[in-house]
Amino acid sequence: DAKTTQPPSMDCAEGRAANLPCNHSTISGNEYVYWYRQIHSQGPQYIIHGLKNNETNEMASLIITEDRKSSTLILPHATLRDTAVYYCIVRSGSARQLTFGSGTQLTVLP
Amino acid sequence: EAGVTQFPSHSVIEKGQTVTLRCDPISGHDNLYWYRRVMGKEIKFLLHFVKESKQDESGMPNNRFLAERTGGTYSTLKVQPAELEDSGVYFCASSQVPPRLFFGSGTQLSVL
Repeated sequence: DAKTTQPPSMDCAEGRAANLPCNHSTISGNEYVYWYRQIHSQGPQYIIHGLKNNETNEMASLIITEDRKSSTLILPHATLRDTAVYYCIVRSGSARQLTFGSGTQLTVLP
Repeated sequence: EAGVTQFPSHSVIEKGQTVTLRCDPISGHDNLYWYRRVMGKEIKFLLHFVKESKQDESGMPNNRFLAERTGGTYSTLKVQPAELEDSGVYFCASSQVPPRLFFGSGTQLSVL
């Protein structure tokens, strides 16, 4: 699986967009980008995933660069409840499980 | 729809004792996973069931850990005998379409 690199921490003002970057320069053609988050004392929660096209759902948007070597998770209007550790994970389409790295601690400030 | 349920939410035991953690997956999910997070470390994969069969147990730390999944429904993870380094949060997850996983809230295990 391709290795991912994320900043260890970020702050965002409440109500503003939170943009969380992830580098995955060694990603291969059949590997997807998954985003999960873990809110303190809860289990990890799926957010979104994509292969090459940008994706949007009710929680977030995922922007993948054309060369697929990096991506950005966008929370359009961050709230205090979005404070969590965000994990960017690259896995092949046939993968059966996930490997978590150290993620990005996002703190949404009032 | 009920989510993944784990019991107990907290367990405090002494070194050398036995503890059994239980996980009830989302109904209809054939895939069931165990993960754990030891203090200060990353979330680590332990094992993966497909129905009642162990698909991948490469993450199990040693033979003190035994996981079972009776009839492809709920799963148990037994630690016997528990050691201090087993303390951490044990997460269970289930999935219908891996690797989109649904996680439970975890069991906080403290070994004293």
